[in-house]
Amino acid sequence: DADVTQTPRNRITKTGKRIMLECSQTKGHDRMYWYRQDPGLGLQLIYYSFDVKDINKGEISDGYSVSRQAQAKFSLSLESAIPNQTALYFCATSEPGTATQFFGPGTRLTVL
Amino acid sequence: RKEVEQDPGPFNVPEGATVAFNCTYSNSASQSFFWYRQDCRKEPKLLMSVYSSGNEDGRFTAQLNRASQYISLLIRDSKLSDSATYLCVVMPYGQNFVFGPGTRLSVLP
Repeated sequence: DADVTQTPRNRITKTGKRIMLECSQTKGHDRMYWYRQDPGLGLQLIYYSFDVKDINKGEISDGYSVSRQAQAKFSLSLESAIPNQTALYFCATSEPGTATQFFGPGTRLTVL
Repeated sequence: RKEVEQDPGPFNVPEGATVAFNCTYSNSASQSFFWYRQDCRKEPKLLMSVYSSGNEDGRFTAQLNRASQYISLLIRDSKLSDSATYLCVVMPYGQNFVFGPGTRLSVLP
């Protein structure tokens, strides 16, 4: 079984809809991240959380919100989706004191 | 100027060739450096960390030049399975990862 899972894997939605992307991990890591990836661009950090009570904005948090329901779960929400949020979204985890990040398989989101 | 820059490629090389990728970063406070590999439509995976003295892992060699703020990855004896996008990743002290846009490699039979 994968250590970091994301649901759904693919989603097509319409402008204005609320969307939630979910991430779960069995690695026991405290730190979790949400990134988006657009063609020709590097991964951009949306939000990150260093423990259940800690939520931090990344470089492109506008239009997004997150919830850290438990150590193992970190959800990303788009309150009112817009077409330029069409992208590949990755969740990742890491341990404090190490810099290696472990990524989920990604969610491909299309906003029409 | 982007924080981390890479030649986007694609680099098309025959099997067995040696290929090198370059990466430059703008934040002189960067302390940790990595190469990640990303297959098409898949998640990035750590290929190797980059140490100040340079390091090697089989056919892969990574180099760091702090004075020039430059990182490189050398792949010797390329295999078809090396075809992927290679992401340069930099972590400034006390900050999060900064990803480069990636360099795409295609190894041809």
